[in-house]
Amino acid sequence: AQTVTQSQPEMSVQEAETVTLSCTYDTSESDYYLFWYKQPPSRQMILVIRQEAYKQQNATENRFSVNFQKAAKSFSLKISDSQLGDAAMYFCAYRKGGGSNYKLTFGKGTLLTVNP
Amino acid sequence: GAVVSQHPSWVICKSGTSVKIECRSLDFQATTMFWYRQFPKQSLMLMATSNEGSKATYEQGVEKDKFLINHASLTLSTLTVTSAHPEDSSFYICSASGRVFTDTQYFGPGTRLTVL
Repeated sequence: AQTVTQSQPEMSVQEAETVTLSCTYDTSESDYYLFWYKQPPSRQMILVIRQEAYKQQNATENRFSVNFQKAAKSFSLKISDSQLGDAAMYFCAYRKGGGSNYKLTFGKGTLLTVNP
Repeated sequence: GAVVSQHPSWVICKSGTSVKIECRSLDFQATTMFWYRQFPKQSLMLMATSNEGSKATYEQGVEKDKFLINHASLTLSTLTVTSAHPEDSSFYICSASGRVFTDTQYFGPGTRLTVL
């Protein structure tokens, strides 16, 4: 079974600084997707970034980028120029490739605090 | 694009009554919808997966007769908590993926259920 591990229950960062959230996963599949979702206090799950396993290039979305190390099964999220609005719970998730009915496997989450 | 709504956003009911939660994909056809439960400060727990026009697939340990799921159209899925009890109080979240967004789940804002 696939597992996703987020080893940092909590992290903090100063506003405008950079922070990296860690995520490792375990799978025997070759076709899969990895995601970072953000859950602010409103509890709305928001997609931050997604990565296809077959792509070697790391995904980026504005201030958010990932370091995808396929051999090491590592998928870290870097937030640059942190803003107060980035404060949230961040979940790393894995999904097997294929049809739309494959489920997500979530990590336990990392609570990010942004200090002004 | 990829907006998912949920209704109601919060509901309080008496023990023994049934509660229906709606999940709608507003701007895409959702071939698959997922229902999650989330306890405070925990990750999301998948309850069931539903494909349009088919019976839902429940995760191990989830009572099918208590949590009735219907996915009658490509834009609507419902979760009915039957004979609710205080232990069913939780935050319920739906997500959807579809013909365009086959590999990514987009989440609704969640429903907070309190059973008195």
